[in-house]
Amino acid sequence: GQQLNQSPQSMFIQEGEDVSMNCTSSSIFNTWLWYKQDPGEGPVLLIALYKAGELTSNGRLTAQFGITRKDSFLNISASIPSDVGIYFCAGQGSGGGADGLTFGKGTHLIIQP
Amino acid sequence: EPEVTQTPSHQVTQMGQEVILRCVPISNHLYFYWYRQILGQKVEFLVSFYNNEISEKSEIFDDQFSVERPDGSNFTLKIRSTKLEDSAMYFCASSGMDRSYYEQYFGPGTRLTVT
Repeated sequence: GQQLNQSPQSMFIQEGEDVSMNCTSSSIFNTWLWYKQDPGEGPVLLIALYKAGELTSNGRLTAQFGITRKDSFLNISASIPSDVGIYFCAGQGSGGGADGLTFGKGTHLIIQP
Repeated sequence: EPEVTQTPSHQVTQMGQEVILRCVPISNHLYFYWYRQILGQKVEFLVSFYNNEISEKSEIFDDQFSVERPDGSNFTLKIRSTKLEDSAMYFCASSGMDRSYYEQYFGPGTRLTVT
């Protein structure tokens, strides 16, 4: 099946630093989504990307859908303590709403005081 | 802000027993999904449901699993005879129409523990 490679696996940063993480795939996806998951909770949708090359922001978060449709990155600017959590990329194929999402393994963000 | 709700939050069951996990999707959404997440691992797709039938299912979703929309608000996942390896968090998700068709919103999950 389709696989997403997400990196880095974990990040240890200082509060106020910028963060960058990315996902790559051997397959094309029509939609890329980025989620954040806190311990014991469900994934929360952060950003959805629909077109190759699209750059979308949500507050301090910026994400881009790669031109090849096989990759995406997420940037977080000026990190704050509540940014701690696991960030997942997810891709969806050509079936649209009926398609299940393929998730990456996550990037665990840890902020050191 | 509308949200997906799930019950129970934690279910403990013995191996071989049947369990039913319940979800109430966001009210105007039309697509419904179940996912699972084994502790420490990534989220895995199980099944999608639209117009009262399964749209897509993964290899994980074998004959032990079934889904149902018994009324206008609930969406359930049944595991007929649980196995130890079914222990995981189970997430329900839903998505709507137009552009939000692609945006899947997740519930808080049900932690299933099979002993």
